[in-house]
Amino acid sequence: DIQMTQSPSTLSASVGDRVTITCRASQNIGSWLAWYQQKPGKAPRLLISKASNLETGVPSRFGGSGSGTKFTLTISRLQPDDFATYYCQQYESYSRNFGQGTKVEIK
Amino acid sequence: QVQLRESGPGLVRPSQTLSLTCAVSGVSISHNDFYWSWIRQHPDKGLQWIGFIYHTGHTFYNPSLMGRVTMSVDTSKNHFSLRLNSVTAADTAIYYCARDPRGILPDLWGPGTLVTVTS
Repeated sequence: DIQMTQSPSTLSASVGDRVTITCRASQNIGSWLAWYQQKPGKAPRLLISKASNLETGVPSRFGGSGSGTKFTLTISRLQPDDFATYYCQQYESYSRNFGQGTKVEIK
Repeated sequence: QVQLRESGPGLVRPSQTLSLTCAVSGVSISHNDFYWSWIRQHPDKGLQWIGFIYHTGHTFYNPSLMGRVTMSVDTSKNHFSLRLNSVTAADTAIYYCARDPRGILPDLWGPGTLVTVTS
């Protein structure tokens, strides 16, 4: 089973900061990696698929990179609407495991 | 626009069967491009993909839940359903349904429904 590990678990940042979240897979998943944003009481929202493909309507300050076993989500200039929890998900195998999440909170 | 909405009992007794339905609007559930997924989120916030179904009835389930999960689709009502049997407290979660283009990745989720397993 492919395990997904995110770091950090919590990240404190200020509006305007550049933020980076890392996701590691326990084995090679190619580029089959997605990123989601979740706000309290809401369903996750798909931000990025295939490691770096921005979904329609997602602001360009969000970016994804990586392949194989190491991936990153970058928010270039954090906005008030970006304070949320972010999850990665592999879809190379049908377990489709998620990372445990990274909460981005206000510093 | 396309919307999904989960419905079903919020409380289920241990050892019983959890049953949920997802109503789809704005698109035909028989659309050839879409599979339809169930995902759950445990109280510790951990997310788990449960499985998906195609309008023909073809299903694929997460191997970790195989044997307890059954999904079905009703094209006349434009909805699909989840049954999870022999539930325990570990099945307490928010259950989401989602659209899954070509069975690759869920891209649009319903708001979710909380199911608590308790005696």
